[in-house]
Order: sequence, then C-alpha cells, then structure tokens
Amino acid sequence: NAGVTQTPKFRVLKTGQSMTLLCAQDMNHEYMYWYRQDPGMGLRLIHYSVGEGTTAKGEVPDGYNVSRLKKQNFLLGLESAAPSQTSVYFCASSYPPKGGVRQPQHFGDGTRLSIL
Amino acid sequence: GQQVMQIPQYQHVQEGEDFTTYCNSSTTLSNIQWYKQRPGGHPVFLIQLVKSGEVKKQKRLTFQFGEAKKNSSLHITATQTTDVGTYFCAGPRWSTGFQKLVFGTGTRLLVSP
Repeated sequence: NAGVTQTPKFRVLKTGQSMTLLCAQDMNHEYMYWYRQDPGMGLRLIHYSVGEGTTAKGEVPDGYNVSRLKKQNFLLGLESAAPSQTSVYFCASSYPPKGGVRQPQHFGDGTRLSIL
Repeated sequence: GQQVMQIPQYQHVQEGEDFTTYCNSSTTLSNIQWYKQRPGGHPVFLIQLVKSGEVKKQKRLTFQFGEAKKNSSLHITATQTTDVGTYFCAGPRWSTGFQKLVFGTGTRLLVSP
C-alpha cells in the first residue's frame, strides 16, 4: 500500500522557471492538500481540493496553481519560480469530516525544492 | 485569524527524562490533532481529541485536551531516542465554508542517549 506518493523528491530551479509537483494517493480519499513547510513556521496550506475537478485557495496560494483532474492525483504548479518559494512541499489526503470532525491527514514524503 | 502556538519551540532531554509540549489556541477548538515528524520525514498522525477535558494514552504518550478546549498537551514519559522529532498540534478553522487544519509551529525534541 503506497499511500501518498510525491514526485520528484528533490529539484533545483532557476528563478523564472516553471515546474509541476505531482501527488498521487491510492486510499480513495476525497480531500487532498498541498502544504509548504519552512523553518520555524510549521505547515502552511497552499491549495486544497474536496473532490475531483474542484480546487480552492489556502493560506498562501500566490504564485501557485493546482489541478485535480482525477480523484487520485493532485498537481501543484509553480508558474514562475521565485527564491521565496524555496521550501519543502508536502501533499496530503484525507477522508471528508465525519460527524463534523476532521479526519486524519496522510502525508507524502515531501518534495525539497530550491530556487536559485 | 486563529493562531495555534506551541511551546517550547525546542527541547533537549536525556533519555529517560520526561517531556511535555503545550499547544494554545486563540479561539475555542472543536477538536485537535497531533502529528509527529521525524527528522527528514513527513508528518504522521498520532491522535485526535474531541471532548473537553479528554485524556488519551498511547503507551508512554499522554494527550490532554483542556476543559475550555483552547489548549492541549502532549506528555512523553521516560523518553527514548526513538521519540526524536518535531511534534505538531493542529486545530480546525472554518474559512469560506471549509474546515481547514491550522498547524502549530511545532516543538522539536532531541533525546540524548
């Protein structure tokens, strides 16, 4: 059982380049998320999706776009990479809330991205 | 907006000593989740607390939810080197009809043998 798989694991970009981070989950989860993790700032939500074909902005969406064409995949795009986007990016997935209570999120191994 | 603060930011203990991390919210939480992230790893769900004053135990880990549901704690008894990592609490926040998880800044635990 693979869980949540992220590719690539590492990437170095030059300022202005674009790229797409891939996330795939095999747990049939409806909800998927993209977070970034920076030292001393915990995890911050970039975008999320509550189902196939739907996406929404999180706390720090600027400079990123997402797509959820299939239930199992959630893609994060950097349109024009900037040094401020150097971070570790985590994808996560979960079931919808049950009885109004959030369900646990399952995280991928992360993508370590450096923008020069 | 809602903030979730954790203290301490960092703690270094000797193996066998106890450890506690505290999570405080500026608003009342309907529930709270705890995650552990090993160095170089990804967050892993530990537990969720829902009821006021709730206490849950997982072996040497004890989780508590405050009576006012604005704070929580994680206590580890007799730490082991396998406990090394960063512990995050996370509380829900409603925003534009969606209940997001707001993560605390985390407490990094280092255990020396």
